[in-house]
Amino acid sequence: NAGVTQTPKFQVLKTGQSMTLQCAQDMNHEYMSWYRQDPGMGLRLIHYSVGAGITDQGEVPNGYNVSRSTTEDFPLRLLSAAPSQTSVYFCASSQVGPSNQPQHFGDGTRLSIL
Amino acid sequence: SQQGEEDPQALSIQEGENATMNCSYKTSINNLQWYRQNSGRGLVHLILIRSNEREKHSGRLRVTLDTSKKSSSLLITASRAADTASYFCATDHIYNQGGKLIFGQGTELSVKP
Repeated sequence: NAGVTQTPKFQVLKTGQSMTLQCAQDMNHEYMSWYRQDPGMGLRLIHYSVGAGITDQGEVPNGYNVSRSTTEDFPLRLLSAAPSQTSVYFCASSQVGPSNQPQHFGDGTRLSIL
Repeated sequence: SQQGEEDPQALSIQEGENATMNCSYKTSINNLQWYRQNSGRGLVHLILIRSNEREKHSGRLRVTLDTSKKSSSLLITASRAADTASYFCATDHIYNQGGKLIFGQGTELSVKP
């Protein structure tokens, strides 16, 4: 049972480049979310999805796009990378929404924007 | 911001001692969760405590919740070197639509052998 899998683990981009961070879960969870973690800031919610075809914005959505075409996958797209997007990105999932549900996290993608 | 605040930001203790971490939040919640993060890894869920609960135990972990003070504490008893990690509280606020978790900034715990 793989749980939540994030790829790649590390990535370096140049300013202005685009890329997609992948997140997949094999637990048939309806709820998936993306967070970024910066020193001294804790985790901040970027986007989340309560099921296939449904996405919504979190606390810091600007510069990021998401889609949810299947239950298993929830990719995060950086449209035009900026140095301020240098961070560690975590994907999480739960059976339904996070109210009363423990979140299962991937091991993160460490992204540097030069 | 609805973000929880944790204190202390860093805590260093000897193996065998107890470690207490505190979390405060600003608005009424449905539940509060505690997570552990080992260096370079994702977060791992420890305990969920609902707003109508005052205390919960899991092994060497004890969590309390005081909704009147809008605060929670995580106690790790008889700590071990393997408990060295960052610990985060996360709150589910009753006014959040879609159920968003708001994480605190974390407490970095170091347990010295």
